Amino acid sequence: GENVEQHPSTLSVQEGDSAVIKCTYSDSASNYFPWYKQELGKRPQLIIDIRSNVGEKKDQRIAVTLNKTAKHFSLHITETQPEDSAVYFCAASTTSGTYKYIFGTGTRLKVLA
Amino acid sequence: DAEITQSPRHKITETGRQVTLACHQTWNHNNMFWYRQDLGHGLRLIHYSYGVHDTNKGEVSDGYSVSRSNTEDLPLTLESAASSQTSVYFCASSVRGAETQYFGPGTRLLVL
Repeated sequence: GENVEQHPSTLSVQEGDSAVIKCTYSDSASNYFPWYKQELGKRPQLIIDIRSNVGEKKDQRIAVTLNKTAKHFSLHITETQPEDSAVYFCAASTTSGTYKYIFGTGTRLKVLA
Repeated sequence: DAEITQSPRHKITETGRQVTLACHQTWNHNNMFWYRQDLGHGLRLIHYSYGVHDTNKGEVSDGYSVSRSNTEDLPLTLESAASSQTSVYFCASSVRGAETQYFGPGTRLLVL
């Protein structure tokens, strides 16, 4: 069935370093890829998204890249700060027009001061 | 301000009992979704709705039901609670024709 794989499951970086989280999706009809950040005990919150007609999108220290041919997309966080520590989820909107998400299993990012 | 709320925020129940979790949004969003979140599984889709009287099964729908009688609410019912349904439940909504989903604060359910 439709699937999104996310790696790594945990990631520790030093403050100021970059962090990269990678996701691979199986449904070639997927055309929308959001990233959510979830702090402990809180709801998932959208931090950035990308559509299939775009290869890269940036928002300050956060960027997302998409390779449709390889069916993978990545989240890049530069100049990490302690407040970036959280669980990050990628998702793929599985079939055009259904607006359903298949989520990855999450990456726990720890930024060490 | 428009928002999405869930109630209760915490619930303890016994196996076999019927439980209903409420989700209410004031954004007038047509699309509403229910997910459960478990360690190691991320967020998995239980049921979803594209509008009043429309409901659809997600990937983990067994043991759950929903009904949509108005735009604002999508209650989730566990017909006969099982310990395997202990989880954190999130409701989400999105505008018709748009993909971005906005999540409620979650309900932590413990089935003993």
